[in-house]
Amino acid sequence: DARVTQTPRHKVTEMGQEVTMRCQPILGHNTVFWYRQTMMQGLELLAYFRNRAPLDDSGMPKDRFSAEMPDATLATLKIQPSEPRDSAVYFCASGSGQGAVQPQHFGDGTRLSIL
Amino acid sequence: GNSVTQMEGPVTLSEEAFLTINCTYTATGYPSLFWYVQYPGEGLQLLLKATKADDKGSNKGFEATYRKETTSFHLEKGSVQVSDSAVYFCALSVPPPDDKVIFGPGTSLSVIP
Repeated sequence: DARVTQTPRHKVTEMGQEVTMRCQPILGHNTVFWYRQTMMQGLELLAYFRNRAPLDDSGMPKDRFSAEMPDATLATLKIQPSEPRDSAVYFCASGSGQGAVQPQHFGDGTRLSIL
Repeated sequence: GNSVTQMEGPVTLSEEAFLTINCTYTATGYPSLFWYVQYPGEGLQLLLKATKADDKGSNKGFEATYRKETTSFHLEKGSVQVSDSAVYFCALSVPPPDDKVIFGPGTSLSVIP
C-alpha cells in the first residue's frame, strides 16, 4: 500500500533551535495537509497545499512557522525558533482531487519535544 | 459556521458489546462526512465515509448513516473486539468555496477482554 512518509519520527531539541519536519506525500496526490495534535487542543490544521501552492495557512503561527513544497514529492514544515509550547505530534496528510472533499491519508507523525 | 461535536470519552466496553459513538455537525452547504480511527503511535486512517444524505458508510463491521434531518453521523458496531481500542474522529468536509476539513475532538475507546 502507498503511504505518506514523515521524517523524523521523533525529535528532541532545545528551545531556540530550528526544527525541520519532512513529508513525502503519496505519489500522484495533489493536496498536502499539515496538522498538529496535542492533548489539550486536539487536532489542528496548520496549513495545506494544492498542486504545491499554499491554499490556507491561517492555522499556523506566522512568526515562527513556515511550510513549503519545494517539489511534488516533498513538503516541509519548519519552526524557528522553537519553543516548549511547540511540543506536539505533527502529522502530514495527502489526498487527491479538488476541494477538501477527498479522504486524507495520514503519515505516522513526527513527535516533537522542545526542552 | 462549520463544526463537529462528538460524545465525550473515554468509552470503556467489554468485548462483544455494542458500540455507539455520537457525532453531530453544523455545516454550510452539503458536506461529506467521515470517520477516522487512530491507533496508538499511528496517524489517522479513514474508517468510512458518506457523501450525501441517507448514505450509509460501512467498513470492518462499523457503520454510520448520514442523517441530514438530525445533522448526525453516529458510529456503530454490533460487537467490538479488543483490537478496536483506538481513538475515533468524526470529520466533515465542506466543498469550495469554504474548502475546509473539520475534525471533531476524538473519542477514545478501550475494549477489555
